[in-house]
Amino acid sequence: EIVLTQSPATLSLSPGERATLSCRASQSVSSYLAWYQQKPGQAPRLLIYDASNRATGIPARFSGSGSGTDFTLTISSLEPEDFAVYYCQQRSNWPPLYTFGQGTKLEIK
Amino acid sequence: QVQLQESGPGLVKPSETLSLTCTVSGGSISSYYWSWIRQPAGKGLEWIGRIYTSGSTNYNPSLKSRVTMSVDTSKNQFSLKLSSVTAADTAVYYCARVGATTPYLDYWGQGTLVTVSS
Repeated sequence: EIVLTQSPATLSLSPGERATLSCRASQSVSSYLAWYQQKPGQAPRLLIYDASNRATGIPARFSGSGSGTDFTLTISSLEPEDFAVYYCQQRSNWPPLYTFGQGTKLEIK
Repeated sequence: QVQLQESGPGLVKPSETLSLTCTVSGGSISSYYWSWIRQPAGKGLEWIGRIYTSGSTNYNPSLKSRVTMSVDTSKNQFSLKLSSVTAADTAVYYCARVGATTPYLDYWGQGTLVTVSS
């Protein structure tokens, strides 16, 4: 089973600052990694898929990078609505198993 | 715009079976995988399993012995049954669609809280 480890657990920043979130896989997932944003009381929302592609309607300030085992989600200039919990996710080929990282909480400093 | 809505009892007794249904609107249920994911309060996301519209299923090994998923294409619905529940199964349960060509969850329901308690 592939384990995804996110860091840091909590990131405290101010609006306008740049956020860098990390996700590390226990073995290579190629570029098959996604990022989700979850706000309190809401379902997760797909932000980035295949490591670097923005999902429909996602602002350009969100970008993803990486391949293999190390991935990064970058928010170039934080807006107030960006403070949330972020999860990375991958799916192993066989058996098909979808796994999530434990999440990074992005909070207002 | 595809929308998903979970429905089912919000309270289930220990040792009984949790049953939830997800209704898909704004698009066909056909030719997609559909998943269930759960999230205990204050914790992360756990994938429960997925079902294709043919009825083919894959389950999380940690829950496999207790999970059954089914699909009703005529009603644009799919369902989850989780047997022998305990307090550890208390969580918000989400249904979600897996993208047509990518292994990601692109549409989600709003989630429904299921509490296991006597």
